[in-house]
Amino acid sequence: ETGVTQTPRHLVMGMTNKKSLKCEQHLGHNAMYWYKQSAKKPLELMFVYSLEERVENNSVPSRFSPECPNSSHLFLHLHTLQPEDSALYLCASSLANRGGEKLFFGSGTQLSVL
Amino acid sequence: AQSVTQLGSHVSVSEGALVLLRCNYSSSVPPYLFWYVQYPNQGLQLLLKYTSAATLVKGINGFEAEFKKSETSFHLTKPSAHMSDAAEYFCAVSGNTGFQKLVFGTGTRLLVSP
Repeated sequence: ETGVTQTPRHLVMGMTNKKSLKCEQHLGHNAMYWYKQSAKKPLELMFVYSLEERVENNSVPSRFSPECPNSSHLFLHLHTLQPEDSALYLCASSLANRGGEKLFFGSGTQLSVL
Repeated sequence: AQSVTQLGSHVSVSEGALVLLRCNYSSSVPPYLFWYVQYPNQGLQLLLKYTSAATLVKGINGFEAEFKKSETSFHLTKPSAHMSDAAEYFCAVSGNTGFQKLVFGTGTRLLVSP
């Protein structure tokens, strides 16, 4: 148990649906991240939030919309996704948003887009 | 900019044999280097990290890695493999300035046979 909880664990959605992924940490961390893990590809950093402010948007399409209402919660809102968006979406947190910090990962949400 | 190359998408060893997982990095600034492990249906967990304090880094579960600047390598080793070591291993790099932006390799799946 890493202290980072993601829900749901699995999600199947059609291309016209709207859904949200939720991430929660109670580790007292100030930075939170969304990563995308696709088969045979490196983990891709999507978004970084530091003290609830977005500090990185790694050229992610607008059909992915993050939200960080407070330092303990992070959401990823999904709409009009494409089949190639099917992947494991991982949330992570760290004490601070600086080089060398250890990341704590959740177990991920396995997303399938039909 | 930073990047990581992991040689071999799969490595197979027998229980009790030496484990060697290779990682080469590229970084325009002094790097921080990490090894993470991912067990089935779980998120990533930190095995060890290099932050310039010592070139030989010891991690959890008997793993260690050596930073070799001349070879730009950070290979992961364990003297004797255990069945429970079967997992996917990711090497990652970040710069030592600015905010945390981990760049991951494509991963190496370790298979351990009895």
